[in-house]
Amino acid sequence: EDKVVQSPLSLVVHEGDTVTLNCSYEVTNFRSLLWYKQEKKAPTFLFMLTSSGIEKKSGRLSSILDKKELFSILNITATQTGDSAVYLCAGSSDSNYQLIWGAGTKLIIKP
Amino acid sequence: DTGVSQDPRHKITKRGQNVTFRCDPISEHNRLYWYRQTLGQGPEFLTYFQNEAQLEKSRLLSDRFSAERPKGSFSTLEIQRTEQGDSAMYLCASSSGDRPDTQYFGPGTRLTVL
Repeated sequence: EDKVVQSPLSLVVHEGDTVTLNCSYEVTNFRSLLWYKQEKKAPTFLFMLTSSGIEKKSGRLSSILDKKELFSILNITATQTGDSAVYLCAGSSDSNYQLIWGAGTKLIIKP
Repeated sequence: DTGVSQDPRHKITKRGQNVTFRCDPISEHNRLYWYRQTLGQGPEFLTYFQNEAQLEKSRLLSDRFSAERPKGSFSTLEIQRTEQGDSAMYLCASSSGDRPDTQYFGPGTRLTVL
């Protein structure tokens, strides 16, 4: 059965810290790994990763995929209180592009 | 605003009533997805459409749930004879043919069944 597992489930850090969120996946006919940020509303798209070893960056956020070990990480440097959210990762398959979701990592940034 | 929109944003109903939600995807997107999300969980897939065709429906989806996308544009999700366990956030997402796995979400409809 396809599954996506995120760790940790929750994380509390202080403003300015760097955090690393983990996502491991087992998805049949794997196509891509996606990261989303969810505040008190619907998920907003962050990154889509399809190739191993190529880092994607957007400001203080970056992500990388390892297709051999079947995991991805999301890094956030110099965290700010506005980064507080649930970060979701999802794997998609070639067969139907359906996303298999992890349960999310709840990140709390303390001032 | 050209993002995904959903209506209503909130719905409170009594157990046993029927409810219907609407989703308007991004206009050029041909794929439309419905998810359900409860607190502390990731979105749970319900069903998806490519144009007007409903291509997949979750095995977990009760017969009380039905979805349509009659003209390949907006979609409706109906829940008949609601139960308290149906209380959740119902999310709609859409994606385009050239980037089918990058889904963009609407604001969601929060359903509370009393």
